Amino acid sequence: DIQMTQAPSTLSAHVGDRVRMTCRASQSINTWLAWYQQRPGRTPKLLIYQGSLSENGVPPRFSGSRSGTEFTLTISSLQPDDFATYYCQQYQSFPYTFGQGTKLEI
Amino acid sequence: DVQLVESGGGLVEPGGSLRLSCAASGFTFSSYSFHWVRQIPGKGLEWISYISNTGQTQNYGDAAKGRFTISRDDAKNSLYLEMTSLRVEDTAMYYCARGRNIFLYVFDYWGQGSLVTVSS
Repeated sequence: DIQMTQAPSTLSAHVGDRVRMTCRASQSINTWLAWYQQRPGRTPKLLIYQGSLSENGVPPRFSGSRSGTEFTLTISSLQPDDFATYYCQQYQSFPYTFGQGTKLEI
Repeated sequence: DVQLVESGGGLVEPGGSLRLSCAASGFTFSSYSFHWVRQIPGKGLEWISYISNTGQTQNYGDAAKGRFTISRDDAKNSLYLEMTSLRVEDTAMYYCARGRNIFLYVFDYWGQGSLVTVSS
């Protein structure tokens, strides 16, 4: 199985900050990677797929990038609604595995 | 609006069975593939199973192989997960999720979840 490792586990930031979080795959997954946001008590929401493509309706402050097997989710200017847990997921091959999550807190 | 509504969760004893349902609305159900994903409360996400839009292809994660069966009924716009030989470690919130158009293994809409508790 492909292992997905997210860093950091917890990230503290302020409204207006620019933040980055990473997700590293244990082997090449090309660009077969998605990012999801899960607010407390809510269901996951798709933000980014194919490493860098934004899902419809996702604010432009969210962006994704890739360098080899490392992927980065960047939020350019944090808003109060952005404090949540973020998960990456590979879909290069099944089983489709998730990272353990990065909790973004105030 | 796209809606996915799970039902069928509850408390079951180890070794027991349960059938989860997911009722879909707001889109052409038969055109899409679907997945089940679970989340232990307070923990991360685990992909469980996939079914293609035709129902011809099903895939399972290790936790589900041999014990869970995914199926669909396009006439009822519904997805199912039959779970047998349940274990304490199967306790989780179970989400149905739609496979995104073209990128079938990306989950673009999720239900609110159905909680399964396996305990004696």
